[in-house]
Amino acid sequence: ETGVTQTPRHLVMGMTNKKSLKCEQHLGHNAMYWYKQSAKKPLELMFVYNFKEQTENNSVPSRFSPECPNSSHLFLHLHTLQPEDSALYLCASSQRAGGSYEQYFGPGTRLTVT
Amino acid sequence: KQEVTQIPAALSVPEGENLVLNCSFTDSAIYNLQWFRQDPGKGLTSLLLIQSSQREQTSGRLNASLDKSSGRSTLYIAASQPGDSATYLCAPDSNYQLIWGAGTKLIIKP
Repeated sequence: ETGVTQTPRHLVMGMTNKKSLKCEQHLGHNAMYWYKQSAKKPLELMFVYNFKEQTENNSVPSRFSPECPNSSHLFLHLHTLQPEDSALYLCASSQRAGGSYEQYFGPGTRLTVT
Repeated sequence: KQEVTQIPAALSVPEGENLVLNCSFTDSAIYNLQWFRQDPGKGLTSLLLIQSSQREQTSGRLNASLDKSSGRSTLYIAASQPGDSATYLCAPDSNYQLIWGAGTKLIIKP
C-alpha cells in the first residue's frame, strides 16, 4: 500500500450504532487530519494530530471521537450520529503540522446516517 | 477570518482549449496555497503548492500563479483533455490551516 488509505470506503449506519473509520498513511508523515465534506459545502477541518498529540479540534460535536495511537494511524469513532452527519470523511497527512507542508489525502469514507 | 471564493463554480469547454480557474482570498497573510483536484466521490489529489514567496509553479500542462497582495491565485490548464474533468479546489494556508474554496467543477467535452 502506498499513500493514504481509508477503510471502509462506504458506511451506512443507524443513529444508535457505533462505528469507527480508519486511516493509515505510508508516507512517514507525523501529522494527520480529519476533514468533513458535505454536499455543496467547502471542506471542514475537524481534527489535527501532530506527533500523536491532538493540536486542533474545530468545535466538533462529542459524538465524533478521534484516536491517534501512532503517527501512521488515525481513527474516527462515531456514536449516536445524526442524519446531517452524512458526508464524505477525508483523512490527510503531512510531514508535520504547524508548518507549510503539503497535505496528502486518502480516498475518503462515504458515510450515510439513516 | 479567511474566506475563499472560486470562480466560476462550473465550466464546460471543448477538448483542446486553454483555460483559467480563479481563486480569491480575503486575508493575504498566507504561508502557501495549494491547488487540488477531486474526482467524483473520491479524495483529493494535490496538484501544485505555491509557497508565499513564490509567484508561480508549473507541473506539466498546469501552471499556478499567486499574487498575495491582491489575494488571488489562478490555475492555468493548457490543451485541456477529457481526463482533466474534475472539481478543482484551492486552499490557502492561513495560520497553518488550509481554508477551502467551494471548487470549480470542470467538464472537458471530447
